[in-house]
Amino acid sequence: TQLLEQSPQFLSIQEGENLTVYCNSSSVFSSLQWYRQEPGEGPVLLVTVVTGGEVKKLKRLTFQFGDARKDSSLHITAAQPGDTGLYLCAGSLNTDKLIFGTGTRLQVFP
Amino acid sequence: NAGVTQTPKFQVLKTGQSMTLQCAQDMNHNSMYWYRQDPGMGLRLIYYSASEGTTDKGEVPNGYNVSRLNKREFSLRLESAAPSQTSVYFCASTYNYGYTFGSGTRLTVV
Repeated sequence: TQLLEQSPQFLSIQEGENLTVYCNSSSVFSSLQWYRQEPGEGPVLLVTVVTGGEVKKLKRLTFQFGDARKDSSLHITAAQPGDTGLYLCAGSLNTDKLIFGTGTRLQVFP
Repeated sequence: NAGVTQTPKFQVLKTGQSMTLQCAQDMNHNSMYWYRQDPGMGLRLIYYSASEGTTDKGEVPNGYNVSRLNKREFSLRLESAAPSQTSVYFCASTYNYGYTFGSGTRLTVV
């Protein structure tokens, strides 16, 4: 059973478009993180959200943690080819261990 | 500051052979983890170590053993490799929020 479901699995868009990636669960998480992974590398942490309803911005990326702490979204404004990669959400159930979603593979074409 | 270093980067094994994947971190982190990443299945936890001298099983521990040699090093051993263990293996460490990942070991078992 996959505790964290990400959608969509694949996303292929043109430079300049906006997009949203969703991360959903039936479990309540104490914190949720988003990572980006490029080919041949390990995931790199983008953001951590810990409070229900929290919104964090990182340049053109906006992250939101759901009020009930069961879901999260990542919105990218005016996507660029450099945003291409695998986006992973990961949740913590009150431990150091993270449960990872299956990922969203984003391709941004010039 | 190298972060998390994994060796080797690539390895091909024959079924039944053994090998040890090495991981070292220089950030003085207490917790370390081994994950495997397979297409469509995200990152799955194999073993973790909350502190030096302790190890615990994760979601998919069968066929693997680990050693937390000291605070810096956490190794993963395959005693008798099987084709089902073909995967990309990632080591990670953490202090509070956010994991730091190594760049991975791509293992093929033939």
